[in-house]
Amino acid sequence: DAGITQSPRHKVTETGTPVTLRCHQTENHRYMYWYRQDPGHGLRLIHYSYGVKDTDKGEVSDGYSVSRSKTEDFLLTLESATSSQTSVYFCAISESGTQYNEQFFGPGTRLTVL
Amino acid sequence: SQQGEEDPQALSIQEGENATMNCSYKTSINNLQWYRQNSGRGLVHLILIRSNEREKHSGRLRVTLDTSKKSSSLLITASRAADTASYFCAMLLAGADGLTFGKGTHLIIQP
Repeated sequence: DAGITQSPRHKVTETGTPVTLRCHQTENHRYMYWYRQDPGHGLRLIHYSYGVKDTDKGEVSDGYSVSRSKTEDFLLTLESATSSQTSVYFCAISESGTQYNEQFFGPGTRLTVL
Repeated sequence: SQQGEEDPQALSIQEGENATMNCSYKTSINNLQWYRQNSGRGLVHLILIRSNEREKHSGRLRVTLDTSKKSSSLLITASRAADTASYFCAMLLAGADGLTFGKGTHLIIQP
């Protein structure tokens, strides 16, 4: 257990509304990640962070923004949700201060955009 | 383009048999990680194998890596009903910061 929690765990929202998902970790890991999981695509990287205020884009970053103002929290924001963003969102951390070690995942947030 | 491909997409075997899943990729990697996901649940980390390693074991799991063929395999020995899940390989590509996942192998263990 890497001490990762995600909130909310489930959310239903309407097209055009803003949505923020939170990832919280308790062990001061430097690297944090947001992935989405869709049928037929496996998991795909949205954004990642390598420290407070240090973030970068992943493979599928369009329509998403992130913020990391504290080591323990990594927020994913959908500025204006669309139906194509209906997905399961997973947060992850990388062990031991480097991106080269094991990545452990949170429990996921199931988001439905109507 | 899809960097990671898993084979087979689905596998059904009898309890007690061994299960082998394969993963292929296209470019150089730093490491490759295997995960298990039960239906509707999160991902459980199984094994990490680095590019300079050829084989790793963990309990009933054995992972091999052949960088010349750009492929890895996960062997589960003496399968149990509780091993029923989807299994994903995920690669840390050289120069990348996040993992690139395959689409997974859905394993069903018949009692």
